[in-house]
Amino acid sequence: DAGITQSPRHKVTETGTPVTLRCHQTENHRYMYWYRQDPGHGLRLIHYSYGVKDTDKGEVSDGYSVSRSKTEDFLLTLESATSSQTSVYFCASGVVGFEQYFGPGTRLTVT
Amino acid sequence: AQTVTQSQPEMSVQEAETVTLSCTYDTSENNYYLFWYKQPPSRQMILVIRQEAYKQQNATENRFSVNFQKAAKSFSLKISDSQLGDTAMYFCAFMAGANFGNEKLTFGTGTRLTIIP
Repeated sequence: DAGITQSPRHKVTETGTPVTLRCHQTENHRYMYWYRQDPGHGLRLIHYSYGVKDTDKGEVSDGYSVSRSKTEDFLLTLESATSSQTSVYFCASGVVGFEQYFGPGTRLTVT
Repeated sequence: AQTVTQSQPEMSVQEAETVTLSCTYDTSENNYYLFWYKQPPSRQMILVIRQEAYKQQNATENRFSVNFQKAAKSFSLKISDSQLGDTAMYFCAFMAGANFGNEKLTFGTGTRLTIIP
């Protein structure tokens, strides 16, 4: 298994507070991704990165920002959390896009 | 934009039987990849099998095989000799050809498969 970790694994926060989720990989993968998983929607891409400081928006990027200052770390920030952002968040990484390895997920609850 | 449809929200089958999960997709691309991912109760996403659209031969991985019908835009997963450990949510996913900027997965909504002892 690829060495992909996410932190925190669980978080409860209040509406309006900023939240940052961290994805860390030890595989020197070029590509990194953030997805959210909601019932009835499968996984949907939020943002992705194809190199350090190179990022692009996915399908559901509103309300989220990302940063990648090092190959191994990809941060997802909710600037002002809303209840609609309650979800399970997955990070993935890969050498090439068609080989994505997923992290264990972070369950975020916004109250 | 690509879409992926899984029309079976839930399925169940007796242990040791064979089960087929359905997936259809819509795309105007000619070069692309298709995937099946498994998500057991642990929540970990696990790649089960991958199919390159330019390959006519259907992909197989041990008890898992696909039926790829490019003209029909159909990509079903067959699990043979099903085991209790196969109980999971299964997601079909699509990625347009590996050109720069296309390296994004589009997922279906999933099929929850239960293997009955």
